[in-house]
Amino acid sequence: GDSVTQKEGLVTLTEGLPVMLNCTYQTIYSNAFLFWYVHYLNESPRLLLKSSTDNKRTEHQGFHATLHKSSSSFHLQKSSAQLSDSALYYCALIRRDYNQGKLIFGQGTKLSIKP
Amino acid sequence: NAGVIQTPRHKVTGKGQEATLWCEPISGHSAVFWYRQTIVQGLEFLTYFRNQAPIDDSGMPKERFSAQMPNQSHSTLKIQSTQPQDSAVYLCASSLAAGKAPLFGEGTRLSVL
Repeated sequence: GDSVTQKEGLVTLTEGLPVMLNCTYQTIYSNAFLFWYVHYLNESPRLLLKSSTDNKRTEHQGFHATLHKSSSSFHLQKSSAQLSDSALYYCALIRRDYNQGKLIFGQGTKLSIKP
Repeated sequence: NAGVIQTPRHKVTGKGQEATLWCEPISGHSAVFWYRQTIVQGLEFLTYFRNQAPIDDSGMPKERFSAQMPNQSHSTLKIQSTQPQDSAVYLCASSLAAGKAPLFGEGTRLSVL
């Protein structure tokens, strides 16, 4: 079945350093939507980025990601971490066929930014 | 737009009791999802409705969990005979259509003592 893998459970960085959170996925369908959600404590998870276009960079709020279908990857990056980036980040997949609208999530990566 | 509303925000039950969690999706959204969040498992898919019809309940533990969507304005997740391992944050989400990014509620934190 479809799956999403986030290898890092916890990433700890010093403020100002670059961020890269890994996401790889598996699906038998050639088309899929990939998403990054960010979840701050005591809030609802919210959409950060989305993409369905191969090799196209998508950006929002200083974060960016590029969907690479050749390597089934959708890594999240930011050039300079801020303290306020500390949160739980989920990579997720939706298949692009009408009958499957559910988000399949990775395990999540907790990003902790230290001063 | 009020967003997805979940009630209660926190629920404490004793082992063996029943728990009912409520979700009001965003008006006009045709798809409603239930997820469970734990530290160990992350965000687990439970079940999904589209236009009030159950589409996929493959993530639901079969024996004690049930979900309904009696009308387009609310969905319920019921857990019978709650167990300590049911303790988690239960998240409801809705989306405009299949394939669109769902918007999440703030969740219900269930604690089973």
